[in-house]
Amino acid sequence: AQSVTQLGSHVSVSEGALVLLRCNYSSSVPPYLFWYVQYPNQGLQLLLKYTTGATLVKGINGFEAEFKKSETSFHLTKPSAHMSDAAEYFCAVSDSNYQLIWGAGTKLIIKP
Amino acid sequence: SQTIHQWPATLVQPVGSPLSLECTVEGTSNPNLYWYRQAAGRGLQLLFYSVGIGQISSEVPQNLSASRPQDRQFILSSKKLLLSDSGFYLCAWSPDRDQPQHFGDGTRLSIL
Repeated sequence: AQSVTQLGSHVSVSEGALVLLRCNYSSSVPPYLFWYVQYPNQGLQLLLKYTTGATLVKGINGFEAEFKKSETSFHLTKPSAHMSDAAEYFCAVSDSNYQLIWGAGTKLIIKP
Repeated sequence: SQTIHQWPATLVQPVGSPLSLECTVEGTSNPNLYWYRQAAGRGLQLLFYSVGIGQISSEVPQNLSASRPQDRQFILSSKKLLLSDSGFYLCAWSPDRDQPQHFGDGTRLSIL
């Protein structure tokens, strides 16, 4: 069965520092992978997705993620954190029926 | 463009009372529709999904039910709420199974 593991329920970085949010998955089929962001008391917004093709995917708000099949990873990065990036981030993988399997989420805290 | 609406935004209900949460999508036809629950500090749990009018698949047995009386309307219901039904309920839609899901702003349900 597919599963998603997000390392670290909370990640704290200083404003201007590199953001790295980790996501590892298990999948028996070529995966579709997604990162979503959730601001307090709001729904989830799609940041980026990987389906096929280029393994480095660029998303909104300066985020990008790289699909590494050998490491079964899809880590999310941003070169320079901004205060407005403070939110909860969710990684998801689609299963063989295209249903999404979700990670538990990582809260990103930005220190001024 | 497509939009998704959920209401109400917040709801406080006593134990044992009924529930009806509504979700509508505009600007598309025959969307896939989803209901999720997000408990505090946890990821998303898929409750129901629908690929068409009257077609509902349940992922988790519970005292909740879902209905799709119209193409772009998805309703989450309960006859008698339990304390454990508290949480943040999110509706989502996608154009097709292998496309990203787009979320509403959610309903925060508190059971007293």
